[in-house]
Amino acid sequence: TQLLEQSPQFLSIQEGENLTVYCNSSSVFSSLQWYRQEPGEGPVLLVTVVTGGEVKKLKRLTFQFGDARKDSSLHITAAQPGDTGLYLCAGEEAGTALIFGKGTTLSVSS
Amino acid sequence: NAGVMQNPRHLVRRRGQEARLRCSPMKGHSHVYWYRQLPEEGLKFMVYLQKENIIDESGMPKERFSAEFPKEGPSILRIQQVVRGDSAAYFCASSGDRNSPLHFGNGTRLTVT
Repeated sequence: TQLLEQSPQFLSIQEGENLTVYCNSSSVFSSLQWYRQEPGEGPVLLVTVVTGGEVKKLKRLTFQFGDARKDSSLHITAAQPGDTGLYLCAGEEAGTALIFGKGTTLSVSS
Repeated sequence: NAGVMQNPRHLVRRRGQEARLRCSPMKGHSHVYWYRQLPEEGLKFMVYLQKENIIDESGMPKERFSAEFPKEGPSILRIQQVVRGDSAAYFCASSGDRNSPLHFGNGTRLTVT
């Protein structure tokens, strides 16, 4: 059974700090996606990474896919209260449904 | 262009009753996925349907749960004889094809009393 481990589970920081959250697996994925979910809403796709070693930037968010396509990280620079939410990674393997990690709950206070 | 619409947003059922959750995919999407989310847990895949066909139901409990996506109308996730353990948020997602990104609805929160 494929498993995606996300760490940390909870993160509480002050506005302006930097942070990194991790998504690790023993399985190889053809692609990996990051979602952000706010209370009472469904997850919203932030980015998809496909190539090992790939780095994608989305404003203050930087996503990296590990060389072996087993892990990924999300780095947020100068966090803002609007970044608060649940960050989910999800791995895709050909022919199977998207597998989600349990998520990192981020709280950014001003 | 409306997104994925799920209704009801909240559903309360007593033990033993039936729960019907509806999902209308985004316009033009023919692939529908159902996921279940429990507090502090990730989204668990349940079933993947494409118009009138169940493609993958490997995540769905063998008893009491069923899903359909008819030619006309929304996809329905049906839970018969609900138990307290069925209480969760149920999310539907749709895509234009199997390789396209998923668009999620805002979920149905089922509470079994």
